[in-house]
Amino acid sequence: DAKTTQPPSMDCAEGRAANLPCNHSTISGNEYVYWYRQIHSQGPQYIIHGLKNNETNEMASLIITEDRKSSTLILPHATLRDTAVYYCISSPHAGKSTFGDGTTLTVKP
Amino acid sequence: DVKVTQSSRYLVKRTGEKVFLECVQDMDHENMFWYRQDPGLGLRLIYFSYDVKMKEKGDIPEGYSVSREKKERFSLILESASTNQTSMYLCASSDADRYSYEQYFGPGTRLTVT
Repeated sequence: DAKTTQPPSMDCAEGRAANLPCNHSTISGNEYVYWYRQIHSQGPQYIIHGLKNNETNEMASLIITEDRKSSTLILPHATLRDTAVYYCISSPHAGKSTFGDGTTLTVKP
Repeated sequence: DVKVTQSSRYLVKRTGEKVFLECVQDMDHENMFWYRQDPGLGLRLIYFSYDVKMKEKGDIPEGYSVSREKKERFSLILESASTNQTSMYLCASSDADRYSYEQYFGPGTRLTVT
Protein backbone atom coordinates (compact mmCIF):
# COMPACT_ATOMS: atom_id res chain seq x y z
CA ASP A 1 0.00 0.00 0.00
CA ALA A 2 1.18 3.50 -0.76
CA LYS A 3 2.23 5.65 2.18
CA THR A 4 0.13 8.72 2.95
CA THR A 5 1.15 11.94 4.67
CA GLN A 6 -1.24 14.17 6.61
CA PRO A 7 -0.74 17.23 8.81
CA PRO A 8 -0.91 16.22 12.48
CA SER A 9 -3.55 18.76 13.44
CA MET A 10 -5.95 21.38 12.10
CA ASP A 11 -8.53 23.76 13.53
CA CYS A 12 -11.78 24.84 11.93
CA ALA A 13 -14.51 27.25 12.97
CA GLU A 14 -17.96 25.78 13.45
CA GLY A 15 -20.10 26.24 10.35
CA ARG A 16 -17.13 26.72 8.05
CA ALA A 17 -15.76 24.20 5.58
CA ALA A 18 -12.99 21.95 6.84
CA ASN A 19 -10.45 21.03 4.17
CA LEU A 20 -8.18 18.15 5.16
CA PRO A 21 -5.25 17.45 2.83
CA CYS A 22 -3.52 14.15 2.17
CA ASN A 23 -0.41 13.43 0.17
CA HIS A 24 -0.11 10.01 -1.51
CA SER A 25 2.60 10.63 -4.09
CA THR A 26 3.49 6.93 -4.46
CA ILE A 27 -0.05 5.74 -5.10
CA SER A 28 -0.35 3.10 -7.80
CA GLY A 29 -3.01 2.81 -10.46
CA ASN A 30 -5.20 0.25 -8.71
CA GLU A 31 -5.16 1.91 -5.30
CA TYR A 32 -8.16 3.76 -3.97
CA VAL A 33 -8.06 6.67 -1.55
CA TYR A 34 -10.15 6.04 1.58
CA TRP A 35 -11.02 8.38 4.38
CA TYR A 36 -12.08 7.32 7.86
CA ARG A 37 -12.52 9.23 11.07
CA GLN A 38 -12.25 8.22 14.70
CA ILE A 39 -14.11 10.04 17.40
CA HIS A 40 -12.62 9.68 20.84
CA SER A 41 -13.17 6.25 22.43
CA GLN A 42 -14.85 4.81 19.33
CA GLY A 43 -13.69 2.65 16.44
CA PRO A 44 -12.93 4.32 13.09
CA GLN A 45 -15.88 5.18 10.85
CA TYR A 46 -15.79 5.08 7.06
CA ILE A 47 -16.42 8.44 5.37
CA ILE A 48 -15.75 8.19 1.64
CA HIS A 49 -13.46 6.69 -0.99
CA GLY A 50 -12.42 7.42 -4.58
CA LEU A 51 -10.15 6.28 -7.38
CA LYS A 52 -9.78 9.08 -9.92
CA ASN A 53 -12.95 11.16 -9.93
CA ASN A 54 -14.16 13.53 -7.25
CA GLU A 55 -16.78 11.98 -5.00
CA THR A 56 -19.51 13.34 -2.75
CA ASN A 57 -21.82 11.70 -0.25
CA GLU A 58 -23.95 12.86 2.65
CA MET A 59 -20.94 13.24 4.91
CA ALA A 60 -18.23 14.80 2.78
CA SER A 61 -16.63 15.49 -0.59
CA LEU A 62 -13.38 14.03 -1.84
CA ILE A 63 -11.27 15.94 -4.33
CA ILE A 64 -8.45 13.95 -5.98
CA THR A 65 -5.85 15.75 -8.08
CA GLU A 66 -5.49 14.76 -11.70
CA ASP A 67 -2.10 13.11 -11.08
CA ARG A 68 -3.64 11.31 -8.04
CA LYS A 69 -0.72 12.30 -5.85
CA SER A 70 -2.85 14.15 -3.36
CA SER A 71 -6.43 14.56 -2.23
CA THR A 72 -8.56 16.78 0.00
CA LEU A 73 -11.46 15.76 2.19
CA ILE A 74 -14.02 18.53 2.54
CA LEU A 75 -16.56 18.73 5.34
CA PRO A 76 -18.76 21.52 3.97
CA HIS A 77 -20.23 22.83 7.22
CA ALA A 78 -18.21 21.54 10.15
CA THR A 79 -19.95 21.01 13.49
CA LEU A 80 -18.52 20.37 16.93
CA ARG A 81 -19.36 16.68 16.45
CA ASP A 82 -16.90 16.55 13.54
CA THR A 83 -14.02 16.92 16.00
CA ALA A 84 -12.09 13.68 15.45
CA VAL A 85 -8.95 12.12 14.02
CA TYR A 86 -9.22 11.80 10.23
CA TYR A 87 -7.29 9.07 8.44
CA CYS A 88 -6.37 8.99 4.77
CA ILE A 89 -5.41 5.58 3.39
CA SER A 90 -4.52 4.34 -0.06
CA SER A 91 -5.09 0.67 -0.80
CA PRO A 92 -6.34 -1.56 -3.62
CA HIS A 93 -9.32 -2.60 -1.47
CA ALA A 94 -10.89 -2.20 1.92
CA GLY A 95 -8.96 -3.88 4.66
CA LYS A 96 -5.34 -4.99 4.69
CA SER A 97 -4.51 -1.36 5.30
CA THR A 98 -2.34 0.35 7.83
CA PHE A 99 -3.71 3.60 9.17
CA GLY A 100 -1.17 6.30 9.99
CA ASP A 101 -1.55 8.89 12.74
CA GLY A 102 -4.06 10.92 10.76
CA THR A 103 -5.05 14.56 11.27
CA THR A 104 -6.66 15.67 14.50
CA LEU A 105 -9.39 18.11 13.48
CA THR A 106 -10.70 20.39 16.20
CA VAL A 107 -13.87 22.29 15.38
CA LYS A 108 -14.17 25.38 17.53
CA PRO A 109 -17.35 27.32 18.38
CA ASP B 1 -27.06 -1.16 10.93
CA VAL B 2 -23.94 -3.27 10.90
CA LYS B 3 -22.81 -4.15 14.33
CA VAL B 4 -19.34 -5.29 15.25
CA THR B 5 -19.05 -6.13 18.91
CA GLN B 6 -16.00 -6.94 20.98
CA SER B 7 -16.15 -9.01 24.14
CA SER B 8 -14.64 -6.42 26.49
CA ARG B 9 -13.99 -2.68 26.47
CA TYR B 10 -11.26 -2.94 29.10
CA LEU B 11 -9.11 -5.91 30.07
CA VAL B 12 -6.22 -6.27 32.53
CA LYS B 13 -4.02 -9.37 32.32
CA ARG B 14 -0.74 -10.50 33.80
CA THR B 15 2.45 -11.21 31.88
CA GLY B 16 2.47 -14.79 30.60
CA GLU B 17 -1.29 -15.25 30.63
CA LYS B 18 -3.15 -16.54 27.59
CA VAL B 19 -5.58 -13.88 26.40
CA PHE B 20 -8.58 -14.24 24.11
CA LEU B 21 -10.17 -11.23 22.44
CA GLU B 22 -13.47 -12.00 20.75
CA CYS B 23 -15.14 -10.18 17.89
CA VAL B 24 -18.60 -10.83 16.47
CA GLN B 25 -20.27 -9.21 13.46
CA ASP B 26 -23.91 -9.56 12.50
CA MET B 27 -23.89 -8.67 8.79
CA ASP B 28 -22.70 -11.96 7.30
CA HIS B 29 -19.44 -10.33 6.18
CA GLU B 30 -16.77 -12.57 4.70
CA ASN B 31 -13.81 -10.42 5.73
CA MET B 32 -12.70 -9.78 9.30
CA PHE B 33 -9.64 -7.97 10.63
CA TRP B 34 -7.73 -7.36 13.84
CA TYR B 35 -5.75 -4.13 14.36
CA ARG B 36 -3.87 -2.64 17.26
CA GLN B 37 -3.68 1.09 17.84
CA ASP B 38 -0.80 2.80 19.60
CA PRO B 39 0.00 6.51 19.96
CA GLY B 40 2.43 7.62 17.28
CA LEU B 41 2.06 4.36 15.35
CA GLY B 42 -1.52 4.60 14.11
CA LEU B 43 -3.58 1.47 13.45
CA ARG B 44 -1.55 -1.55 12.39
CA LEU B 45 -3.00 -4.72 10.90
CA ILE B 46 -2.27 -7.89 12.90
CA TYR B 47 -4.26 -10.59 11.06
CA PHE B 48 -7.18 -10.83 8.70
CA SER B 49 -9.49 -13.54 7.44
CA TYR B 50 -11.34 -13.79 4.14
CA ASP B 51 -13.30 -16.90 5.02
CA VAL B 52 -14.01 -19.40 7.75
CA LYS B 53 -10.89 -21.25 8.85
CA MET B 54 -8.78 -19.01 6.63
CA LYS B 55 -6.28 -16.45 7.94
CA GLU B 56 -3.48 -14.30 6.65
CA LYS B 57 -0.79 -12.37 8.47
CA GLY B 58 -0.90 -8.62 8.50
CA ASP B 59 1.96 -6.27 9.25
CA ILE B 60 2.63 -7.27 12.86
CA PRO B 61 1.54 -10.89 13.50
CA GLU B 62 4.36 -11.81 15.90
CA GLY B 63 3.07 -12.85 19.30
CA TYR B 64 -0.50 -13.28 18.09
CA SER B 65 -2.64 -15.99 16.57
CA VAL B 66 -6.25 -15.99 15.37
CA SER B 67 -9.16 -18.35 15.01
CA ARG B 68 -12.20 -18.21 12.76
CA GLU B 69 -14.38 -21.27 13.25
CA LYS B 70 -17.63 -19.50 12.37
CA LYS B 71 -18.27 -16.78 9.83
CA GLU B 72 -19.48 -14.24 12.35
CA ARG B 73 -16.72 -14.68 14.93
CA PHE B 74 -13.01 -13.83 14.75
CA SER B 75 -10.83 -14.34 17.80
CA LEU B 76 -7.41 -12.86 18.53
CA ILE B 77 -5.21 -14.92 20.84
CA LEU B 78 -2.18 -13.78 22.78
CA GLU B 79 -0.50 -17.08 23.67
CA SER B 80 1.68 -15.54 26.39
CA ALA B 81 0.86 -11.90 27.02
CA SER B 82 3.74 -9.46 27.37
CA THR B 83 3.81 -5.84 28.51
CA ASN B 84 4.57 -4.63 24.97
CA GLN B 85 1.17 -5.97 23.94
CA THR B 86 -0.56 -3.36 26.06
CA SER B 87 -2.61 -1.53 23.47
CA MET B 88 -6.04 -0.76 22.03
CA TYR B 89 -7.27 -3.66 19.89
CA LEU B 90 -9.82 -3.02 17.16
CA CYS B 91 -11.78 -5.55 15.15
CA ALA B 92 -13.34 -4.76 11.77
CA SER B 93 -15.38 -6.53 9.11
CA SER B 94 -16.21 -5.90 5.47
CA ASP B 95 -18.17 -7.48 2.66
CA ALA B 96 -16.27 -9.55 0.12
CA ASP B 97 -18.10 -7.80 -2.71
CA ARG B 98 -15.43 -6.09 -4.78
CA TYR B 99 -17.57 -2.97 -4.84
CA SER B 100 -17.86 -2.82 -1.10
CA TYR B 101 -15.10 -0.63 0.20
CA GLU B 102 -16.23 0.07 3.69
CA GLN B 103 -14.83 -1.49 6.83
CA TYR B 104 -17.00 -1.52 9.94
CA PHE B 105 -15.12 -1.26 13.21
CA GLY B 106 -15.98 -2.40 16.70
CA PRO B 107 -15.59 -0.11 19.74
CA GLY B 108 -12.20 -1.54 20.68
CA THR B 109 -10.72 -3.39 23.65
CA ARG B 110 -8.14 -1.59 25.74
CA LEU B 111 -5.79 -4.30 27.01
CA THR B 112 -3.31 -3.68 29.79
CA VAL B 113 -0.67 -6.33 30.51
CA THR B 114 1.03 -5.92 33.88
